Amino acid sequence: DTVLTQSPALAVSPGERVSISCRASEGVNSYMHWYQQKPGQQPKLLIYKASNLASGVPARFSGSGSGTDFTLTIDPVEADDTATYFCQQSWNDPYTFGAGTKLELK
Amino acid sequence: EVQLQESGPGLVKPSQSLSLTCSVTGYSITSNYWGWIRKFPGNKMEWMGYISYSGSTSYNPSLKSRISITRDTSKNQFFLQLNSVTTEDTATYYCARSANSDWFAYWGQGTLVTVSS
Repeated sequence: DTVLTQSPALAVSPGERVSISCRASEGVNSYMHWYQQKPGQQPKLLIYKASNLASGVPARFSGSGSGTDFTLTIDPVEADDTATYFCQQSWNDPYTFGAGTKLELK
Repeated sequence: EVQLQESGPGLVKPSQSLSLTCSVTGYSITSNYWGWIRKFPGNKMEWMGYISYSGSTSYNPSLKSRISITRDTSKNQFFLQLNSVTTEDTATYYCARSANSDWFAYWGQGTLVTVSS
């Protein structure tokens, strides 16, 4: 299976820019997607196919990358962005998820 | 607006079968793809499989011998059955919709299923 590696946690101050990385153990073309999950809630799609903003998602969120290295950027970070962020690939079978990056605000 | 809602037993005994229902409103399950994803304690997420608009299915190979996803189009519901469960199947189970089977834009609230005797 394709393993997606994410940093466990990040802490940033409101108004700053943060980049969350996801590295795949094998190429996934551009088929990397990003979700935000807050405690007690279902995941919310932020970015699909590496760089496409999902409907209703603020333009503060952006995605980049292809192949094996991908980045979700939030600029500027707001207090409401406190959450865990997951990447998911759908190029290789089976689809897999990263372990999540917990974003905390200072 | 499409809404998905999972339902089913919150407690299942080891070796038994786990059965969940996803009730969909606001969109027909005869369009798009409808999947099941679970989140284990400790945050790991696993894609389990999906059923397509035509009724075809795709499953995670790690579950292939134990999983079945079916549907009832007259009730606009789809179902998950996972056989021979163990404590390692304890997780929050989500149903979700994908326009193209790749990414999931709509999710249910999730239902916690505990496997315990």
